[in-house]
Amino acid sequence: ETGVTQTPRHLVMGMTNKKSLKCEQHLGHNAMYWYKQSAKKPLELMFVYSLEERVENNSVPSRFSPECPNSSHLFLHLHTLQPEDSALYLCASSQELAGGGTDTQYFGPGTRLTVL
Amino acid sequence: AQKVTQAQTEISVVEKEDVTLDCVYETRDTTYYLFWYKQPPSGELVFLIRRNSFDEQNEISGRYSWNFQKSTSSFNFTITASQVVDSAVYFCALSEVFYSGAGSYQLTFGKGTKLSVIP
Repeated sequence: ETGVTQTPRHLVMGMTNKKSLKCEQHLGHNAMYWYKQSAKKPLELMFVYSLEERVENNSVPSRFSPECPNSSHLFLHLHTLQPEDSALYLCASSQELAGGGTDTQYFGPGTRLTVL
Repeated sequence: AQKVTQAQTEISVVEKEDVTLDCVYETRDTTYYLFWYKQPPSGELVFLIRRNSFDEQNEISGRYSWNFQKSTSSFNFTITASQVVDSAVYFCALSEVFYSGAGSYQLTFGKGTKLSVIP
């Protein structure tokens, strides 16, 4: 595998379910990101990790819980989601964590999440 | 505050036509980076180019070219002889090196321009 991979590619869940999204980067990068892309809205940064430490949480509701066990893997644990959380969730990685996001971020294919 | 505007929501062209996607940005910083990404229907954001604010040279990569003009705060993207495979949503993004407010690691994305190339 090369680049950034995400699983599953599609997920349908009820509001009471618990599920997890997985991201893996094969680029040897040190920083990883979760973005949310909703219809007709700009991409929204959710979480940022650098060397497995969370460095940013952009006011994301607690029903989204990230986990970064090592610099190659990033998870997003989902619990008690709302229908408005339906979106494309994109993972990205960059070589380093640069101020202002200036280091090029490479994205995965995303997980299309539908909350019923 | 930093802001990226892609005024063209959707563009349709016939194959082999040239097309220019506009990007206008706002920033208070003198040191910043600009990016273009392509998002085909599969969903993955594909990195196309990264340009820093001190390099105003235009760049050409195959059928793709970029025109960076600081005087008008624009970073436009031209596809020459468009092909059906160019159909995608294209995003322009900005990052400020010394921005230290909330979301300090965030790329600021425009809303994207959906390009449809008709055979």
